[in-house]
Amino acid sequence: DAGVIQSPRHEVTEMGQEVTLRCKPISGHDYLFWYRQTMMRGLELLIYFNNNVPIDDSGMPEDRFSAKMPNASFSTLKIQPSEPRDSAVYFCASSPPDREILTGELFFGEGSRLTVL
Amino acid sequence: KNQVEQSPQSLIILEGKNCTLQCNYTVSPFSNLRWYKQDTGRGPVSLTIMTFSENTKSNGRYTATLDADTKQSSLHITASQLSDSASYICVVSLDSNYQLIWGAGTKLIIKP
Repeated sequence: DAGVIQSPRHEVTEMGQEVTLRCKPISGHDYLFWYRQTMMRGLELLIYFNNNVPIDDSGMPEDRFSAKMPNASFSTLKIQPSEPRDSAVYFCASSPPDREILTGELFFGEGSRLTVL
Repeated sequence: KNQVEQSPQSLIILEGKNCTLQCNYTVSPFSNLRWYKQDTGRGPVSLTIMTFSENTKSNGRYTATLDADTKQSSLHITASQLSDSASYICVVSLDSNYQLIWGAGTKLIIKP
């Protein structure tokens, strides 16, 4: 069974450009998470969805960041306009249906390494 | 404030040796604690989960312990292998709502 699939794996762009990161969660998983990882701050939750509905976006740093989940098998994280401080590895993770989500295991993709020059 | 602190920040040991990684948390109300392994350039992968009532749990050469009274957990790696080189991240779940408190991780390097 395929895991969480993210694209692109690497993205180098210039400040001010739009960046779109893509994620395909594991089939049957109801929860989808977007995380950002940096050396300074570790893993930070940006937003998560349940059944395609955004539940908590309090971690989204600014209005420049937006995320969508148009269907159960696809999600995007968009940064517009991008800035050098957005440089990080962005992870998508999914989790199976679980009445007690607190015990749910997160299954991470390989990540998208973003560099904004 | 809900926090998870891991120590050491980094660790270098020789192949075949044992090591122990520490995780201290000030999270309430506590639900469970997970250890993840993150290889360089990859996403984290769950190693084990500890619930409030569990003291020790093993997964091959990895053994996790939990002391809910002192709010400490440890991950012990026995007979380390080169493939154990990775970051190990401790994550604590709150019982009151969906929220995960992530530690900064311990970077482990195994040298031949």
